[in-house]
Amino acid sequence: DTAVSQTPKYLVTQMGNDKSIKCEQNLGHDTMYWYKQDSKKFLKIMFSYNNKELIINETVPNRFSPKSPDKAHLNLHINSLELGDSAVYFCASSQESGSGRRVSWELFFGEGSRLTVL
Amino acid sequence: GQSLEQPSEVTAVEGAIVQINCTYQTSGFYGLSWYQQHDGGAPTFLSYNALDGLEETGRFSSFLSRSDSYGYLLLQELQMKDSASYFCAVDFGNEKLTFGTGTRLTIIP
Repeated sequence: DTAVSQTPKYLVTQMGNDKSIKCEQNLGHDTMYWYKQDSKKFLKIMFSYNNKELIINETVPNRFSPKSPDKAHLNLHINSLELGDSAVYFCASSQESGSGRRVSWELFFGEGSRLTVL
Repeated sequence: GQSLEQPSEVTAVEGAIVQINCTYQTSGFYGLSWYQQHDGGAPTFLSYNALDGLEETGRFSSFLSRSDSYGYLLLQELQMKDSASYFCAVDFGNEKLTFGTGTRLTIIP
C-alpha cells in the first residue's frame, strides 16, 4: 500500500489550460502539504492543511487553489497554466505532534507529479 | 531573514566518508532535518535534530550546533546507491519545513 499517492504522475498541457492533481494519504496524518520543486531542484512549500483547514498559504498566485475534502485528501487545481508553472509538484503529509515542541519533523512525500506546460 | 545554505555539489569515493554541511540564518529555530532524494524520486526523511549534538542512524549521522547555526550530515562507508541529492530543512517555528537548496552527492568507484 502506497502511503502518499498522487495522480497523475505526468501532465503535459498547453498554456492557458486548467489542470488538477490529486493526493491521498492512508497514514492517518492530520496535516498535508503541497510543495513545488523547480528545475534547480529547489523545494518550496505552497500550501499546508491541517484537518481540512488551510494553515499555510505561501505567496502563490491565486490561479492555484487547493481543496481538502477530508483530512486524507488534498487536491491542487491550477487555472490558466503558464510556462513558469512547469515543475514537479509533491504532496506530503505529517502527523501533528499536539501541544508542545515537535520531537520529529518527518514528512512523507508522494512520488511527485511532473507538470510540463507547452 | 531565514535562509539555508548547502554546497551545491560534492563528490566522494565509494567506501569513504563524506560530510554535507548546512548553515542557516534565522531569528527562530526549532530543529534541523535531512532528506534524501534520488533522481526522479520523492524526498525521503533521514534524520531530525531538535537538540545540539550527534544523532546516529546506521551509516548516516546528523549533527547540530545551534550556537553556530550549523549542522551537517555525515555518510560513512559510502555506497554507489548513496548518489542522490541531500536537503537540509529547518523548522523556523512557523509550522512548516523550509528546505535548503540541496547538495548533489556523486559517488565514484
